[in-house]
Amino acid sequence: AQTVTQSQPEMSVQEAETVTLSCTYDTSESDYYLFWYKQPPSRQMILVIRQEAYKQQNATENRFSVNFQKAAKSFSLKISDSQLGDAAMYFCAYAIQGAQKLVFGQGTRLTINP
Amino acid sequence: EAQVTQNPRYLITVTGKKLTVTCSQNMNHEYMSWYRQDPGLGLRQIYYSMNVEVTDKGDVPEGYKVSRKEKRNFPLILESPSPNQTSLYFCASSPKGQGRRSTEAFFGQGTRLTVV
Repeated sequence: AQTVTQSQPEMSVQEAETVTLSCTYDTSESDYYLFWYKQPPSRQMILVIRQEAYKQQNATENRFSVNFQKAAKSFSLKISDSQLGDAAMYFCAYAIQGAQKLVFGQGTRLTINP
Repeated sequence: EAQVTQNPRYLITVTGKKLTVTCSQNMNHEYMSWYRQDPGLGLRQIYYSMNVEVTDKGDVPEGYKVSRKEKRNFPLILESPSPNQTSLYFCASSPKGQGRRSTEAFFGQGTRLTVV
């Protein structure tokens, strides 16, 4: 069975600095997708970034980028120039063949210190 | 506006009293799912549906029922709720297909359920 592990229950960073959230996963599939979701206090689930496993190039979305290491089964999220609005719970997730079955990690609560 | 709508957003009930959480999407998506979110466990899939009248168990289906009689609706039914079903519940939908578009799940606003 596929599993996703986030080993950092909580992280904090100073505003304007860079922070990296870790995620590892276990799968025997060769073709899959990886995601980072943000959940602010409003509870809304917001897709931050996604990565196709067949792509070697790391995905980027403005201040958000990933470090995808397929052989190591690692998928970390880097947030540059952290802003107060980045404070949230972040979930790493995995899926094969679409988003009908997402497997989530335990979550990392990110605090931004002004 | 494309959205997934869950109701109610908050619910407090007593053990054993049947309840239904509704979920509706307006994007004509084939796939719909229910997840529960618990501290330290992340989100776990309860049930999912590939299309009308096609449902299957997720990772934590015990104590829950679902039905998919219409494409847009996917209600979650707790026939005899227990305190261990106190949780935050999310409905999600996504389109069928290949490629990047099929990988985006749209989530409802969440339902905070407390069973006393």
